[in-house]
Amino acid sequence: DIQMTQSPSSLSASVGDRVTITCRASQSVSIYLNWYQQKPGKAPKLLIYAASSLQSGVPSRFSGSGSGTDFTLTISSLQPEDFATYYCQQSYSAPFTFGPGTKVDIK
Amino acid sequence: EVQLVESGGGLGQPGGSLRLSCAASGFTFSSYWIHWVRQAPGKGLVWVSRIKSDGSYTSYADSVKGRFTISRDNAKNTVFLQMNSLSAEDTAVYYCARESSVGQWQPLDYWGQGTLVTVSS
Repeated sequence: DIQMTQSPSSLSASVGDRVTITCRASQSVSIYLNWYQQKPGKAPKLLIYAASSLQSGVPSRFSGSGSGTDFTLTISSLQPEDFATYYCQQSYSAPFTFGPGTKVDIK
Repeated sequence: EVQLVESGGGLGQPGGSLRLSCAASGFTFSSYWIHWVRQAPGKGLVWVSRIKSDGSYTSYADSVKGRFTISRDNAKNTVFLQMNSLSAEDTAVYYCARESSVGQWQPLDYWGQGTLVTVSS
């Protein structure tokens, strides 16, 4: 099975900050890498698929990059509604494992 | 509007069984793969299972293989997760999610609100 790691596990940031979250796969997943946002008590929401493609309706301040084993999610200017937990997920091969999550909270 | 609505959660006995349902609407259900993902209280997301659009292929996480069975009824726009030999480690919110048909990248683009399964005596 492909193992996913994320760093950091949590971070504190201010509105307007640029935030970068890293995701690493234990073996190459090509660009079969997705990012989700989850707020407390809510279902996850797809932000980015295929490593860098923005899901319809998602603000352009979210972007993704990477291929192979190393990926990043960047929020260019953090907004109040962006405080949440972010998960990466590989969809290269089953089981479609998720990373452990990165919690973004208010500094 | 795409909707996925889970049901069937509740209190299950250790060693017992529960059957979850995921009712879909707002899209051509028979054209989409459907996944189950779970989240234990205060923990992260864990992929559980998926089923092909026509029901001909399934896959499972190792932690549920041999105990859980995913199936679907395309006439009723519903996916099921039969959960047997339950243990406390199965306690979680269970989400069903639709696999996107955009390209071959297989992200999960729509999710239900989740149903809570609690395994306890």
